Amino acid sequence: GQNIDQPTEMTATEGAIVQINCTYQTSGFNGLFWYQQHAGEAPTFLSYNVLDGLEEKGRFSSFLSRSKGYSYLLLKELQMKDSASYLCAFMDSNYQLIWGAGTKLIIKP
Amino acid sequence: GAVVSQHPSRVICKSGTSVKIECRSLDFQATTMFWYRQFPKKSLMLMATSNEGSKATYEQGVEKDKFLINHASLTLSTLTVTSAHPEDSSFYICSARRPQEDTGELFFGEGSRLTVL
Repeated sequence: GQNIDQPTEMTATEGAIVQINCTYQTSGFNGLFWYQQHAGEAPTFLSYNVLDGLEEKGRFSSFLSRSKGYSYLLLKELQMKDSASYLCAFMDSNYQLIWGAGTKLIIKP
Repeated sequence: GAVVSQHPSRVICKSGTSVKIECRSLDFQATTMFWYRQFPKKSLMLMATSNEGSKATYEQGVEKDKFLINHASLTLSTLTVTSAHPEDSSFYICSARRPQEDTGELFFGEGSRLTVL
């Protein structure tokens, strides 16, 4: 079967670093996505990993290990505006996106 | 700027009426668009895949007569919530993917918040 799991909520301090983990199980895999969603708004694209390793994009980095069914999103130099939900999703063999429930990130001053 | 536009962003209607939500791709032709529903503090739930020129593909449990999808052109898909009831109140989001793009990035519309009284 297919499933995907990420923590429900995390709290971090402004200026710090936070890592949001995502684990998944699937027989067919065509990449893993991270999206950011502010309350009441549509998701916005953050990253796409299809090969193992770390992809860095400014303050945000995303890591993938296909053998472990594991990904993380790393946010550095946290800002208050980073308070949002972070959704991970993998694309299965039918090119369907399977979404996690999202991790609500709370940033404290 | 936005590449997918959704309208209206908010709509309030009376129970029993129908509401139409439009989703437009602004700078590319989208043969396929996706409609999602999102409950408060929950993840996106795929409702249906809209295919230009043919019938939409609905996910299990989604009533096709309740949620009518029309993809009449390569830049426009519409979702009509028929005979809306309070339990249909939700955040509806459409998305599309640029054709032949390797990243597979989904571009989302702004979302439409439906409140049925």
